[in-house]
Amino acid sequence: AQKITQTQPGMFVQEKEAVTLDCTYDTSDPSYGLFWYKQPSSGEMIFLIYQGSYDQQNATEGRYSLNFQKARKSANLVISASQLGDSAMYFCAMREGLEPDTGNQFYFGTGTSLTVIP
Amino acid sequence: DSGVTQTPKHLITATGQRVTLRCSPRSGDLSVYWYQQSLDQGLQFLIQYYNGEERAKGNILERFSAQQFPDLHSELNLSSLELGDSALYFCASSVEDYYGYTFGSGTRLTVV
Repeated sequence: AQKITQTQPGMFVQEKEAVTLDCTYDTSDPSYGLFWYKQPSSGEMIFLIYQGSYDQQNATEGRYSLNFQKARKSANLVISASQLGDSAMYFCAMREGLEPDTGNQFYFGTGTSLTVIP
Repeated sequence: DSGVTQTPKHLITATGQRVTLRCSPRSGDLSVYWYQQSLDQGLQFLIQYYNGEERAKGNILERFSAQQFPDLHSELNLSSLELGDSALYFCASSVEDYYGYTFGSGTRLTVV
């Protein structure tokens, strides 16, 4: 089974509107971390936001928020007030286990390509 | 600048050849991870080193090898290259907590 599933290969959003990028995950480990990364056309991977499995509140970082629904195993990224510079690939990722540097690899989804329309 | 340095940024080589990709982690990060990103496979974990020792292994081919040196920089060696090895190779490093990776800007390898 896929560890991370992103079902939206491509999304379009009007500038200044909000958009939600979907991510579901699969793990039996009670301790895990969920991450979102942005990959613009230049290729670099940029960390956006993190949510730990024991965090009670949804994570927020500026215009980014993570809608964490533990029972549904979903970790959707919400981008508010979209900007043209938000056009990029977005990857959801999960790390099982929260112990530092124990060799737990990250699992990445296949990504969602977001295009912001002026 | 993320603090993780990868060289070279671009590499074009012929099938059957061998190349070495280099990564310098962020200052203070002991872990280095290598990932391969191709169009058909997405982001695939290859291998992790922690303070000079191999910590975890993913979908790394036998033709590929890596090491981490005492100064913590890491090299990924790719040999007997095939067309299908063309991809973006990322290095990432992490601090000693669970927070996450910092990625380098990647090395784009093209095998012709």
